[in-house]
Amino acid sequence: DAGITQSPRHKVTETGTPVTLRCHQTENHRYMYWYRQDPGHGLRLIHYSYGVKDTDKGEVSDGYSVSRSKTEDFLLTLESATSSQTSVYFCAISESAGVAGRIHGYTFGSGTRLTVV
Amino acid sequence: AQKITQTQPGMFVQEKEAVTLDCTYDTSDPSYGLFWYKQPSSGEMIFLIYQGSYDQQNATEGRYSLNFQKARKSANLVISASQLGDSAMYFCAMREGTSGGSNYKLTFGKGTLLTVNP
Repeated sequence: DAGITQSPRHKVTETGTPVTLRCHQTENHRYMYWYRQDPGHGLRLIHYSYGVKDTDKGEVSDGYSVSRSKTEDFLLTLESATSSQTSVYFCAISESAGVAGRIHGYTFGSGTRLTVV
Repeated sequence: AQKITQTQPGMFVQEKEAVTLDCTYDTSDPSYGLFWYKQPSSGEMIFLIYQGSYDQQNATEGRYSLNFQKARKSANLVISASQLGDSAMYFCAMREGTSGGSNYKLTFGKGTLLTVNP
């Protein structure tokens, strides 16, 4: 029971096609995030959500959109995939920080390897 | 300006020796949290250790400790008695605004690839 699952795990798609990645959690956490990981860049935030229908942009949001219609699901859509969007995509979840700022950490999904050809 | 800087793209260490991975950060928020994650070749992100900006003592978790120097804005990870299984990519990350807010997004450094030699 992973608590967070991403699907698909691997995908190859053609340039110009729409692609949707799914992140599903069973932890009832309020916060959900989409990151992309590229060599030499670490993980960069694409979009995040702080509640149902509440989302905001991260540092590399161009070409991506998200939706969160239920607490447990956070969808990332590439409207028209480009080769520059070839990457590994990670979803993460977290709880609120609490009064003391302590957190239980962020839980990451296993990642989706997307190749745009 | 980068919020998280990891200046060592790669590091090598002999098995059983200690190693320090560097991380400096930049924030004007008095309330923040610093994290270290390990990513082995299998790809999963593994949480190692956390340090809050108001924590008086350096965080420790088993063989991992965080050398927190607030005035210098550094949060170096120290791994004692390195093991072959420690070979992985290591990421430093920061979350600002732990005192409350609408998001708790993490900002990552570019990572350090640690290789432990037998």
